[in-house]
Amino acid sequence: KNEVEQSPQNLTAQEGEFITINCSYSVGISALHWLQQHPGGGIVSLFMLSSGKKKHGRLIATINIQEKHSSLHITASHPRDSAVYICAVPNAGGTSYGKLTFGQGTILTVHP
Amino acid sequence: DADVTQTPRNRITKTGKRIMLECSQTKGHDRMYWYRQDPGLGLRLIYYSFDVKDINKGEISDGYSVSRQAQAKFSLSLESAIPNQTALYFCATSEGGLYNEQFFGPGTRLTVL
Repeated sequence: KNEVEQSPQNLTAQEGEFITINCSYSVGISALHWLQQHPGGGIVSLFMLSSGKKKHGRLIATINIQEKHSSLHITASHPRDSAVYICAVPNAGGTSYGKLTFGQGTILTVHP
Repeated sequence: DADVTQTPRNRITKTGKRIMLECSQTKGHDRMYWYRQDPGLGLRLIYYSFDVKDINKGEISDGYSVSRQAQAKFSLSLESAIPNQTALYFCATSEGGLYNEQFFGPGTRLTVL
């Protein structure tokens, strides 16, 4: 069983729709990363959060440490938001300190 | 200029050939990582280095080796490439600590025929 599970695996939306991508994890951590992988392959970090909520433009990330769950929301989605969204959690302790475990990614396609 | 660069960006090679993928960074980070990405499997860690003298195996290190030539350079080698090593390879860097953001290179698409 993956330690980091994302849902849905694929998501198709119409431009303007509100998007939610979910991430659940089984390892005990206190922070989570959201990454975006563009169709060309490049990966950029969107958020790192350890509590509550963070907002950047139309992107909002929330985390509930007690429930081991995080969500990434996109408001007023646009075709340029089409990408793979990946959540990742750091491994705490020992030689794993600072390494990341990644979810399998959510493929988002936004149609005009 | 990009903070994390990878060369080559694309490579097609034949089974049994030795291949080296190179990564350079200008961020001044101590920590560097090599990942591979396969469709449906997500990113998996091959090797990581927390400083020049510290190199560690990741979850899928068999068939790979690495060299940390300097703080800024971390190379991944496939001594004898095989077709199931066909994948997208990413280098990443981070500062020390548990929660620090990782910065990714643009990726190298490797095809082993």
